[in-house]
Amino acid sequence: AQSVAQPEDQVNVAEGNPLTVKCTYSVSGNPYLFWYVQYPNRGLQFLLKYITGDNLVKGSYGFEAEFNKSQTSFHLKKPSALVSDSALYFCAVWNDYKLSFGAGTTVTVRA
Amino acid sequence: GAGVSQTPSNKVTEKGKYVELRCDPISGHTALYWYRQSLGQGPEFLIYFQGTGAADDSGLPNDRFFAVRPEGSVSTLKIQRTERGDSAVYLCASSLQGVNSPLHFGNGTRLTVT
Repeated sequence: AQSVAQPEDQVNVAEGNPLTVKCTYSVSGNPYLFWYVQYPNRGLQFLLKYITGDNLVKGSYGFEAEFNKSQTSFHLKKPSALVSDSALYFCAVWNDYKLSFGAGTTVTVRA
Repeated sequence: GAGVSQTPSNKVTEKGKYVELRCDPISGHTALYWYRQSLGQGPEFLIYFQGTGAADDSGLPNDRFFAVRPEGSVSTLKIQRTERGDSAVYLCASSLQGVNSPLHFGNGTRLTVT
């Protein structure tokens, strides 16, 4: 079965600094990878996806992610974090018509 | 436009009772999903509908859980004889068919079994 792993439970950064949230994947065949964000008491919001094509994918709210096949990674990045980016971030992989999610990474951006 | 709507937003019930959770998907979305999210964990797949039929119910934990989507739109997740371990946030998502169509999630129903 396809799966993803998020090795960090928490990431803390200062506002204005680069933000990276890590994700590695384990799939057979071509991976279809996603990032979602969850704000408190809200559902998940789609940020971006990698299906095929350019390894650098740009998404919502200034986020981007880099697909790296040799390292089996799909890390989420933002060049300059905002306090409002503080939330719970999930990496996910497409797995037989459904998404399988990682455990999530809590991002805290301090002013 | 309107997003995925879930009702109620919160439900408190006693152990052993029956509950129904409702999901109203985005109009025109043929695919509908139910997930369960426990505190500190990622969403866990329960069931997937394509139209009216359950295409994959492999995530339902046991026969106390059942879901329907009789007209291919609104779906109801039904839990019989609730247990304290059923306490979680139940998320519904809808999409157009296929990997290129992202899942759109509702805000969830927080179920607490006392």
